[in-house]
Amino acid sequence: IAGITQAPTSQILAAGRRMTLRCTQDMRHNAMYWYRQDLGLGLRLIHYSNTAGTTGKGEVPDGYSVSRANTDDFPLTLASAVPSQTSVYFCASSEVASAMEEQFFGPGTRLTVL
Amino acid sequence: TQLLEQSPQFLSIQEGENLTVYCNSSSVFSSLQWYRQEPGEGPVLLVTVVTGGEVKKLKRLTFQFGDARKDSSLHITAAQPGDTGLYLCATPRNGGSQGNLIFGKGTKLSVKP
Repeated sequence: IAGITQAPTSQILAAGRRMTLRCTQDMRHNAMYWYRQDLGLGLRLIHYSNTAGTTGKGEVPDGYSVSRANTDDFPLTLASAVPSQTSVYFCASSEVASAMEEQFFGPGTRLTVL
Repeated sequence: TQLLEQSPQFLSIQEGENLTVYCNSSSVFSSLQWYRQEPGEGPVLLVTVVTGGEVKKLKRLTFQFGDARKDSSLHITAAQPGDTGLYLCATPRNGGSQGNLIFGKGTKLSVKP
């Protein structure tokens, strides 16, 4: 593995179901991020983690939760999915939590909530 | 909350043409990054600019940061089909210094052979 992996690649989910999107990085980066990308709205930050054991809310956190039990993994959970959460989800990481650092993005998860 | 406005929203040109895309804000940028995203992939960083008036070059791409740090431009010389993609600018949310970024909506560039 090199970089960031996300799973699943795509998913169709019934409304009301619980879903966890997985994100793993092998670069030993301290900071990790979850974004959603919607047509006409661009990329929006959902949650972030500056270091293992800490998390913070981004621009659109409602309906999502995250955990950061270790450096490598940063799962995103939708407790009860709704159609408005249909989107493409990107996980990213950076060496440290700095705006000067490059954020490395995963390939994305395309989620459809019906 | 700082908003980033990118223009144009769409741009379709022929191979060999030059083009410029813009990223503007009503607030001062503490720093600004440009990313390029190809279809079906995540964004990839092109450049980070910090100092007002700064100019950075990356092969055929020239990035300028406005003197007042409220605008930035990306100029591509002799565009090639491989330049096709979505160009995004990003800046720290609330003018901070951490990686908590806000992104513009992007300029979708199509370069036809």
